[in-house]
Amino acid sequence: DTAVSQTPKYLVTQMGNDKSIKCEQNLGHDTMYWYKQDSKKFLKIMFSYNNKELIINETVPNRFSPKSPDKAHLNLHINSLELGDSAVYFCASTPGDPGNTIYFGEGSWLTVV
Amino acid sequence: SQQGEEDPQALSIQEGENATMNCSYKTSINNLQWYRQNSGRGLVHLILIRSNEREKHSGRLRVTLDTSKKSSSLLITASRAADTASYFCATFPGRRALTFGSGTRLQVQP
Repeated sequence: DTAVSQTPKYLVTQMGNDKSIKCEQNLGHDTMYWYKQDSKKFLKIMFSYNNKELIINETVPNRFSPKSPDKAHLNLHINSLELGDSAVYFCASTPGDPGNTIYFGEGSWLTVV
Repeated sequence: SQQGEEDPQALSIQEGENATMNCSYKTSINNLQWYRQNSGRGLVHLILIRSNEREKHSGRLRVTLDTSKKSSSLLITASRAADTASYFCATFPGRRALTFGSGTRLQVQP
C-alpha cells in the first residue's frame, strides 16, 4: 500500500525528447508537489498544486508542464529535454496546510544523454 | 539560495557514538522539520518542531530550535549503522512550500 507512487523510477532519454513522469497519492491529501534534487543533493521546489489548482511555480522553464487531472494525481511533462534536466524528481504530498509534514515518493531518476 | 543550510556537509562516526547535525536558516518560520534520505530513496519525515518550541524528542532523536539565532540541531544518540543516510532540515517560511537545505551525509561505521 504505497502512499506516494511515481513512475518510472528510472528514465534514460536523449536530448530533445519529450517525457512524462506520473505521480499518484492514496493518502487523500489536498496538496501535491514536484521537487527536483540535483547531483549535489539540493532539493528545490518546482511546483505545488492544491486541489488540482497550481499554487506555486518556482521559475521553472516552461518546458516543464505539470498536470493535475484530480487531486490524487500530479504528472510532470517535460518537453525538449536538455542535459541539465538530468536529476532526481520527487513527487510529494501533504494534508491541509503546506507547512505540514510532507510525504515523498521514491523518486524518478532522469538521465538525459 | 537555499533557505536552510546543514552543517557539517558530511559526518563519519563509529556505531554507538552520538551524531549532531546543525541547520541554519534565513527568514522567520512557522516550523522546522527534519527528514532522512537513505541512498536511492525518497525523503522520510523524522520530526517537526514549531517556532514556539525549544526542544523535542522522538526515540533516539533530539531536536532543538533557537529562533533568535535562526538555527536548529538534530542529535542522534547511540547511533547505529542503519542510521547511515542524508539528513535534511526543512523550513516553512510562510505560505510557500517547505524549503530544504543541502543535507548532512552521515556515515556510521559498524
